[in-house]
Amino acid sequence: DAGVIQSPRHEVTEMGQEVTLRCKPISGHDYLFWYRQTMMRGLELLIYFNNNVPIDDSGMPEDRFSAKMPNASFSTLKIQPSEPRDSAVYFCASSFGWLEAFFGQGTRLTVV
Amino acid sequence: GQQVMQIPQYQHVQEGEDFTTYCNSSTTLSNIQWYKQRPGGHPVFLIQLVKSGEVKKQKRLTFQFGEAKKNSSLHITATQTTDVGTYFCAGRGSGGGADGLTFGKGTHLIIQP
Repeated sequence: DAGVIQSPRHEVTEMGQEVTLRCKPISGHDYLFWYRQTMMRGLELLIYFNNNVPIDDSGMPEDRFSAKMPNASFSTLKIQPSEPRDSAVYFCASSFGWLEAFFGQGTRLTVV
Repeated sequence: GQQVMQIPQYQHVQEGEDFTTYCNSSTTLSNIQWYKQRPGGHPVFLIQLVKSGEVKKQKRLTFQFGEAKKNSSLHITATQTTDVGTYFCAGRGSGGGADGLTFGKGTHLIIQP
């Protein structure tokens, strides 16, 4: 398996634009997590899914953020409209049950 | 919600000195995991502790899980330059929607040769 795959690796967008981040988890994993990492706030859990169902989205900062997992092999995190304070590295991770989480390489988002 | 606190935020050591980072949770954890993130990289799993009072070793790294399953520590003996990075603890709650993996803010280990 190629591991957790995220795209794009880098995204630069203008304030107000829609941004979509993508994630392909490891095959067979039943948990998928979205994290945001900044120097100030560290690694924040935004939302996680279990068997494609969103379990806890209390970490999603605002209604501008939304996440979907239409099937076991794909998830998206969308920001609409984007703002400069959304600039961060966004990680997707997956795990099988409560075993170790495998992280993707991350998407570095810059909103100007 | 579940909170995981980690100290110190930064630790400067001379190469060869020991290093310890501490993790505390506001709630009892089902298990705790430790990750390492190199600069510019992504978190990579090191170990998982499940049992109360558990101690595990990986070469120069020693991991402990507290008796009450609310705190944990990572100790590195005789640090090397390859140990540079940020060490995170991550806890999972006891289910019922609380089993998301919550990370501490991490301890940045800086090693001076």
